[in-house]
Amino acid sequence: AQKVTQAQTEISVVEKEDVTLDCVYETRDTTYYLFWYKQPPSGELVFLIRRNSFDEQNEISGRYSWNFQKSTSSFNFTITASQVVDSAVYFCALSEEGNTPLVFGKGTRLSVIA
Amino acid sequence: ETGVTQSPTHLIKTRGQQVTLRCSSQSGHNTVSWYQQALGQGPQFIFQYYREEENGRGNFPPRFSGLQFPNYSSELNVNALELDDSALYLCASSLVGWGRETQYFGPGTRLLVL
Repeated sequence: AQKVTQAQTEISVVEKEDVTLDCVYETRDTTYYLFWYKQPPSGELVFLIRRNSFDEQNEISGRYSWNFQKSTSSFNFTITASQVVDSAVYFCALSEEGNTPLVFGKGTRLSVIA
Repeated sequence: ETGVTQSPTHLIKTRGQQVTLRCSSQSGHNTVSWYQQALGQGPQFIFQYYREEENGRGNFPPRFSGLQFPNYSSELNVNALELDDSALYLCASSLVGWGRETQYFGPGTRLLVL
């Protein structure tokens, strides 16, 4: 069965600090997909990134970067030089190949203080 | 913005009543998935509709039912409401469906059952 664990429930940082959100997943499939979503107070889940299990290259998008390591079943998300607008709940999610839905972690609430 | 819309934004019902939530998918998408997000939790998969047919279901009782229309919009119906049904209900649209396709979420409907 698939499972996503986000051990950090809440993180608080001061603006301009770097912060890493951890995600550990479990799956028996060799083909699977990992996602990160951002949920601001408005409630809408905003898609940030999708990564398939065959692509272990790390990705950088502006201040955001993602570190995918199959050896440790982790898909961590780093925000560099955090800003107040980054304050939100961040969810990591997993889906296996075939007819399986997205399975979400419980989320990490990030508070960036000015 | 994803182009996925949901209505209403907020709803208050009493125990035992019935509710219908609506979702319009992003242009070009033919798959709609519904999720329930309880306070402080990650979204939980309810079911998915693909080309007007239910295409998978999570661990939710039959009083949760849905429809998808020819224009790919969708409804979620919940009968015999219980207090625990209070949650944010999220709709997501995608092309085809399942994990290999990214799901784009709407703003959600907040349901409060008294």
